[in-house]
Amino acid sequence: AQSVTQPDIHITVSEGASLELRCNYSYGATPYLFWYVQSPGQGLQLLLKYFSGDTLVQGIKGFEAEFKRSQSSFNLRKPSVHWSDAAEYFCALRVNAGNMLTFGGGTRLMVKP
Amino acid sequence: DAMVIQNPRYQVTQFGKPVTLSCSQTLNHNVMYWYQQKSSQAPKLLFHYYDKDFNNEADTPDNFQSRRPNTSFCFLDIRSPGLGDAAMYLCATSRGPESWDEQYFGPGTRLTVT
Repeated sequence: AQSVTQPDIHITVSEGASLELRCNYSYGATPYLFWYVQSPGQGLQLLLKYFSGDTLVQGIKGFEAEFKRSQSSFNLRKPSVHWSDAAEYFCALRVNAGNMLTFGGGTRLMVKP
Repeated sequence: DAMVIQNPRYQVTQFGKPVTLSCSQTLNHNVMYWYQQKSSQAPKLLFHYYDKDFNNEADTPDNFQSRRPNTSFCFLDIRSPGLGDAAMYLCATSRGPESWDEQYFGPGTRLTVT
């Protein structure tokens, strides 16, 4: 069965600093990969997705993610973090066999002024 | 704007008292999903509808039921809520059932069980 691991439960960065959130997956083939953001008390908003092609994908709010097949990773990055980026971030995958989104455990991002 | 709407945003119910959560969508999407998200955890899929076809996840308790009377609306019924059912319930939609179809999430309903 497929799985998603987000090794960092909490991350704190200073405003203006760069950010990288880690995501590793386990699946026998290339899955469809997603990053979602969830602000407190809100639903999930899609930041970006990877299906095929260029392994560096651009998303909304200045985020990007890079798919690395050799490392089974799909890390999320942002060059300069804003205070409004403080939220919970979820990496997720879907596979051809079904509809289910498999989520990682999430990473809570805090931004210091 | 087209969107996924959940009502109410906050729901308080008593232990064992049936409760219904509502989701509506203006996207005209074929698929609607219900997720349960407990505090500090990832969302967990309970079930989904592809048009009128109901698909239950294997480990979804029998206490949870769903109805989809038309394309726009989907309901989550909890027949006898327990304290362990307190959670955020997220509704999502997608145009189709394919793996690449993006899921659009509503803002969620936070359920408290007293």
